Amino acid sequence: DTGVSQDPRHKITKRGQNVTFRCDPISEHNRLYWYRQTLGQGPEFLTYFQNEAQLEKSRLLSDRFSAERPKGSFSTLEIQRTEQGDSAMYLCASSPRTASSGNTIYFGEGSWLTVV
Amino acid sequence: AQTVTQSQPEMSVQEAETVTLSCTYDTSESDYYLFWYKQPPSRQMILVIRQEAYKQQNATENRFSVNFQKAAKSFSLKISDSQLGDAAMYFCAFQGGSEKLVFGKGTKLTVNP
Repeated sequence: DTGVSQDPRHKITKRGQNVTFRCDPISEHNRLYWYRQTLGQGPEFLTYFQNEAQLEKSRLLSDRFSAERPKGSFSTLEIQRTEQGDSAMYLCASSPRTASSGNTIYFGEGSWLTVV
Repeated sequence: AQTVTQSQPEMSVQEAETVTLSCTYDTSESDYYLFWYKQPPSRQMILVIRQEAYKQQNATENRFSVNFQKAAKSFSLKISDSQLGDAAMYFCAFQGGSEKLVFGKGTKLTVNP
């Protein structure tokens, strides 16, 4: 069990560029979540998948944001036409869907995005 | 919609002493989970302790324990015998039927030697 892995860990991009983040969940975890965290705030929910199905999206997820989990394993979060307000840490998390887990969600180390 | 409130932006404690972090939440659901997560500087979010709402007994994990008051919608975290490594941001989180976690704004804990 290697934990939730995110790549890249840091990304600096110019306003208007597209960026993509990848998340590899813990093996056999069928739920995968994306959160956004700005400095001094708690994480805010963006979206989550059960296997390859995207079950819920937050209103925070504007049409410039798209998330996929094509084979029910890794996931990508793409931000198109980045804006300075997109600067934040993007956290990925996963959980197993078993009764014994108590729905505990495990987080990765996050991907820092700076839009300049 | 559920909300989670952490009224203490910052707290400090002397090494080896005990500190309590406060958390209140608002929900109309009866079945849910509550969590405390720890986030050290530039490090990942780590689960500290979890409480199932249907359990009356307060959860305990080594030096960490909670005081869960369901009627008052209160979920405080007590850290006993504080250690320097306990210094971090602590987030209280709620998880109901929608599966997603709703976080408070966090409490920054400083441990003084």
